[in-house]
Amino acid sequence: DIQMTQSPPSLSASAGDRVTITCRASQSVSRYLNWYQQRPGKAPNLLIYGASSLERGVPSRFSGSGSGTEFTLTITGLQPEDVATYYCQQTYSSPQTFGQGTKVEIK
Amino acid sequence: QVQLVQSGAEVKKPGASVKVSCKASGYTFTRYDINWVRQAAGQGLEWMGWMNPNSGNTGYKQKFQDRVTMTRDTSINTAYMELASLTSEDTAVYFCATASSGLYSAFDIWGQGTMVTVSS
Repeated sequence: DIQMTQSPPSLSASAGDRVTITCRASQSVSRYLNWYQQRPGKAPNLLIYGASSLERGVPSRFSGSGSGTEFTLTITGLQPEDVATYYCQQTYSSPQTFGQGTKVEIK
Repeated sequence: QVQLVQSGAEVKKPGASVKVSCKASGYTFTRYDINWVRQAAGQGLEWMGWMNPNSGNTGYKQKFQDRVTMTRDTSINTAYMELASLTSEDTAVYFCATASSGLYSAFDIWGQGTMVTVSS
């Protein structure tokens, strides 16, 4: 199975800050890397697919980059409603696997 | 609108089975695979497997191969996930999800989740 490792496990930032989350794959997943936001008690919500494509309806402050084994999710201008846990997911090979999550809080 | 609506919370004893349903609306049910993902309290997301509602074909994560069954009833646009031989480690929220855009198999539609508690 491909292992997905996210860093950091958690972070605290001020509103308006730029926040970056990293996801590393144990082997290449090409661009088959998706990002989700999960608020407490809710189902995950797709933010980014194919490493860098913004899902319809997702604010443009969210962006993704990378390919192969290293990927980043960036929030440019953190908002209070962005408090959530963020997960990366590889769908390159079965079984698809998720990172362990990054919890984002507001200072 | 396009949505997946899941059945309600379940409490089961160790060794029992649980069957969770996922009803699709707002799109052609047979068009997209249904996937199942679970999440234990305070933990991450774990993919369990997929089912093609058109053919009934399935694919399971090896960890669940021996005790999970994914089925569907196309007459009522509903998918099911049955997990047998439950232990306390199966206590989790179970989600169904689908990749309606087909792009990179990203799950753009999720059910609301079903809490399954395994306790004696």
